[in-house]
Amino acid sequence: DAKTTQPNSMESNEEEPVHLPCNHSTISGTDYIHWYRQLPSQGPEYVIHGLTSNVNNRMASLAIAEDRKSSTLILHRATLRDAAVYYCILRHTGTYKYIFGTGTRLKVLA
Amino acid sequence: DAGVTQSPTHLIKTRGQHVTLRCSPISGHKSVSWYQQVLGQGPQFIFQYYEKEERGRGNFPDRFSARQFPNYSSELNVNALLLGDSALYLCASSPWGLAGLGDTGELFFGEGSRLTVL
Repeated sequence: DAKTTQPNSMESNEEEPVHLPCNHSTISGTDYIHWYRQLPSQGPEYVIHGLTSNVNNRMASLAIAEDRKSSTLILHRATLRDAAVYYCILRHTGTYKYIFGTGTRLKVLA
Repeated sequence: DAGVTQSPTHLIKTRGQHVTLRCSPISGHKSVSWYQQVLGQGPQFIFQYYEKEERGRGNFPDRFSARQFPNYSSELNVNALLLGDSALYLCASSPWGLAGLGDTGELFFGEGSRLTVL
């Protein structure tokens, strides 16, 4: 199973952009890159996903490196409600087996 | 619209006992997955079911079993409980089962059942 590497924790000031990095050097051509976040006392919540091209949705943007060995989740304006553990996950096409790592704990400072 | 619902939310068992956890997926979703989350770690995949058939299994012992019913709800059973089975058990549903090209692969998680084994 392909693995991802993320920093254990990051801090950001409220209203500022946040860039959460993820390395996935063993990614295969058919692996999708998914991001989920988990707020305290809740189940994980889908944020965004992509395959090769950069993606935008109402929650965030996903920037994927050209060689696909790394990606960055971008929160354009962090709010206190964005404080959570963010997981970068590779999902092989044809499966629902998500391999979660330990994620990045994002702290947002008021 | 109701999200994924799990029951019970909290329970305490002793070593050697058996536990059954229940999950109701979002209406219209035919796929259910189960994950175990030990404190301080990310969720670990246990099972996926689609249309009442097992579609995937993680690296868990045979003490763990699951099934999916005709109404797409699901049960996770754990026999001969060990202290190390203490965890948050998460259920996730999805409208897709085959996760092929064209579907987002998005999972919708419940809030989990927290199991404590003493």
